[in-house]
Amino acid sequence: DVKVTQSSRYLVKRTGEKVFLECVQDMDHENMFWYRQDPGLGLRLIYFSYDVKMKEKGDIPEGYSVSREKKERFSLILESASTNQTSMYLCASSKTYGYTFGSGTRLTVV
Amino acid sequence: TQLLEQSPQFLSIQEGENLTVYCNSSSVFSSLQWYRQEPGEGPVLLVTVVTGGEVKKLKRLTFQFGDARKDSSLHITAAQPGDTGLYLCAGATSGTYKYIFGTGTRLKVLA
Repeated sequence: DVKVTQSSRYLVKRTGEKVFLECVQDMDHENMFWYRQDPGLGLRLIYFSYDVKMKEKGDIPEGYSVSREKKERFSLILESASTNQTSMYLCASSKTYGYTFGSGTRLTVV
Repeated sequence: TQLLEQSPQFLSIQEGENLTVYCNSSSVFSSLQWYRQEPGEGPVLLVTVVTGGEVKKLKRLTFQFGDARKDSSLHITAAQPGDTGLYLCAGATSGTYKYIFGTGTRLKVLA
């Protein structure tokens, strides 16, 4: 069964910490995405990647960076976590149309 | 920034009723998708439509892409409690596989 795996379902971090969210897909997909989901705001695109070592900013990249050293892995980095980054983070991958999402990481920054 | 507006935001209906959810934008999309998301999980793709006027059926769910490719609808016939969830539409413009998501319609079907 193909899947996208996010390393943690729940995380609690302190303000100012550097936070790494990991995402791995086993479908040999070229495209990978990071979204955050907040009530009333829907899913907003943070960063995406169409190939290894390639990254592009989405709609809300401020305070985030990403890394894609291998095709199957796409990491989201919060350089210095802040309380307004408390959210559900969703990773997705695709070959063409149609995303496969991971189960999400609910991050709380205190 | 492109916007996708979904209506209604919330819907609570009795089992067996029919319903329609709408997804509207001022932008033209090359493809549009519908997802269903259950609490604590990521969204799951239901359908992709790419041709203006296209209609696709998935059991009791009927999806339609507007002729101008700016809007879409999801119709559920004889809703069941298992249809409960957050329904999301997402559109991509030409030349990209990057999707913009609507804010969602939260559906509750009561037994």
